[in-house]
Amino acid sequence: QLHLQESGPGLLKPSETLSLTCSVSGDSISGPTYSWSWIRQPPGRGLEWIGNISDTGSPFYNPSLKSRITMSVDTMKSQFSLRLSSVTAADTAVYYCARQNSAWFDPWGQGTLVAVSS
Amino acid sequence: QSALTQPASVSGSPGQSVTISCTGTSGDIGTYNFVSWYQQLPGKVPKLVIFDVTNRPSGISNRFSGSKSGTTASLTISGLQGEDEADYFCSSYTRGGTLVFGGGTKLTVL
Repeated sequence: QLHLQESGPGLLKPSETLSLTCSVSGDSISGPTYSWSWIRQPPGRGLEWIGNISDTGSPFYNPSLKSRITMSVDTMKSQFSLRLSSVTAADTAVYYCARQNSAWFDPWGQGTLVAVSS
Repeated sequence: QSALTQPASVSGSPGQSVTISCTGTSGDIGTYNFVSWYQQLPGKVPKLVIFDVTNRPSGISNRFSGSKSGTTASLTISGLQGEDEADYFCSSYTRGGTLVFGGGTKLTVL
């Protein structure tokens, strides 16, 4: 059964760069069927799709975040990563990684809370 | 891209049916049959309950059903149970190739 696990720092200062990694186990990260997504949820609020990346490294970003995002994939390590630059308090959220099949997400990682505070 | 519009809250009594709406535009729900729904129990990870408007993943109760009319998609939960109390989010593919979520609906089982 596919399992995803996010990892990365839980506390950042404003203007720093958020860097998260999602480790995939239980199935291959390679193949044309799926892409690999990041989704975030500010405390007590709704979900926001950040973007996705294919196993060949082709990314697709949410236009509202595009200028600050970089995604990458390492198929040998079965991992994909997110970098979000110049963070502010508005970027405080639980960050989820998920497998994207066409236009739906399943399964999801357990999520990791990233707080931005001076 | 603007978020899809969902009611903030809905409620129902055990055994009843409730329907949660999700309104988009011609640039998303109105054009594409790529609407999905997620259940998020308190403090838990979102869980896929409907994909591609009407399809249920394996293991999801047939009490959950989805539909679409024009630019509005709907999730109906029949035979309401206490365990259904959760937040529900819709999502759609958009003309720009991105994905957009609704703001979420809190379902209360009375």
